Amino acid sequence: QLLQSGGEVKKPGASVKVSCEASGYTFTSYGISWVRLTPGQGLEWLGWISAYNGNTRYAQKVHDRVTLTIDKSTRTVYMELRSLRSDDTALYFCVRESLAEPGIDVFDLWGQGTMVTVSS
Amino acid sequence: SYVLTQPPSVSVAPGKTARVTCVGDNIETKSVHWFQLRPGQAPVVVISYDTDLPSGIPPRFSGSNFRNTATLTISEVEAGDEADYFCQVWDSSGQSYVFGSGTRVTV
Repeated sequence: QLLQSGGEVKKPGASVKVSCEASGYTFTSYGISWVRLTPGQGLEWLGWISAYNGNTRYAQKVHDRVTLTIDKSTRTVYMELRSLRSDDTALYFCVRESLAEPGIDVFDLWGQGTMVTVSS
Repeated sequence: SYVLTQPPSVSVAPGKTARVTCVGDNIETKSVHWFQLRPGQAPVVVISYDTDLPSGIPPRFSGSNFRNTATLTISEVEAGDEADYFCQVWDSSGQSYVFGSGTRVTV
């Protein structure tokens, strides 16, 4: 399973870091993508990281504000989003997928979601 | 950038067939995945690679992908199928996942 950290409330301009701890499978045999769900935009992909070597790919829309990192010792992936805006308010999911690069395998295991609220 | 268009809503009577479309330019050249999203739950893949049925998903769910339209078909619809459904592809040109806007299926 993928277990995500709890909900966050942040002010505009702040940063948030959400964690995703993996268990029950060989951690370094998969990649992890992050996806968010908003009422207005639906589902949106943010980026991908290889759990094997830490290679990353980011969506163009957020590439300058998001960073994905990995801690193999704790089997945890982190998603940091900076310079938060009100339209970053969303339910954030980590999801298991391809190891070598995004776009090969289907999203087959999802975290439970982390609500991030950006409000002054 | 690549765009996927879905109808906002589909209404179907119990026991009937629901069809959810996902329109994209030459979508048949891409692998389409379909996700079911219920309130308070993580999304679940119900169809992968256009037509594959993942383990645990009832065979009432099926998919197709032809020319510019991918379709998710739910046969003998049950009340428990009421949810939002999203299609997804990998856009190799934009190097990004693209999701459809989502369709609410009401039973």
